[in-house]
Amino acid sequence: GENVEQHPSTLSVQEGDSAVIKCTYSDSASNYFPWYKQELGKRPQLIIDIRSNVGEKKDQRIAVTLNKTAKHFSLHITETQPEDSAVYFCAAGDSGYSTLTFGKGTMLLVSP
Amino acid sequence: DAEITQSPRHKITETGRQVTLACHQTWNHNNMFWYRQDLGHGLRLIHYSYGVQDTNKGEVSDGYSVSRSNTEDLPLTLESAASSQTSVYFCASSPEVGTDTQYFGPGTRLTVL
Repeated sequence: GENVEQHPSTLSVQEGDSAVIKCTYSDSASNYFPWYKQELGKRPQLIIDIRSNVGEKKDQRIAVTLNKTAKHFSLHITETQPEDSAVYFCAAGDSGYSTLTFGKGTMLLVSP
Repeated sequence: DAEITQSPRHKITETGRQVTLACHQTWNHNNMFWYRQDLGHGLRLIHYSYGVQDTNKGEVSDGYSVSRSNTEDLPLTLESAASSQTSVYFCASSPEVGTDTQYFGPGTRLTVL
């Protein structure tokens, strides 16, 4: 089955800095890669996703890049703000089955 | 507004008891999923369903069962609760196979003493 590795497990940055979280996956059949943000005590919420037919996707301060050859994808957050502090999860899935395999999460702390 | 709900939000039970966690969605989504979340393990898939009368085992299905009698509900049953099943449980749904975005419920915190 699919295996998703996520690094780092914790990341501390100063407000205004950029943050990068990286994930690798093992199953070449995976073609859908979402990122979820989970605030303390809340449910995971989708913030951005990318499919295997594109290499990069941006949404305001958030971007995701995908390298299918190397089987890795990354989340980039620019101009970080304290409200970006949360746990971020990457996931990989095969749209033919609709199931997702999640990474173990990255706790991002943005200090004012 | 359409939504996905879980009940109860918090539950304390004893080892050996049967426990059922409810998940209800009003989006008319075909796919429903149950995950458990533990520190250091992220979200792990327990069971999932593609539609009425369909159920499938996920990565950590031992000790759990589900049934799908209608589109809206996918209850999760712990047949004989164990302390190792103390966790936060999330239900999720997505529209149909091939549309992958999953929408999560608010979670149920289960403690097994």
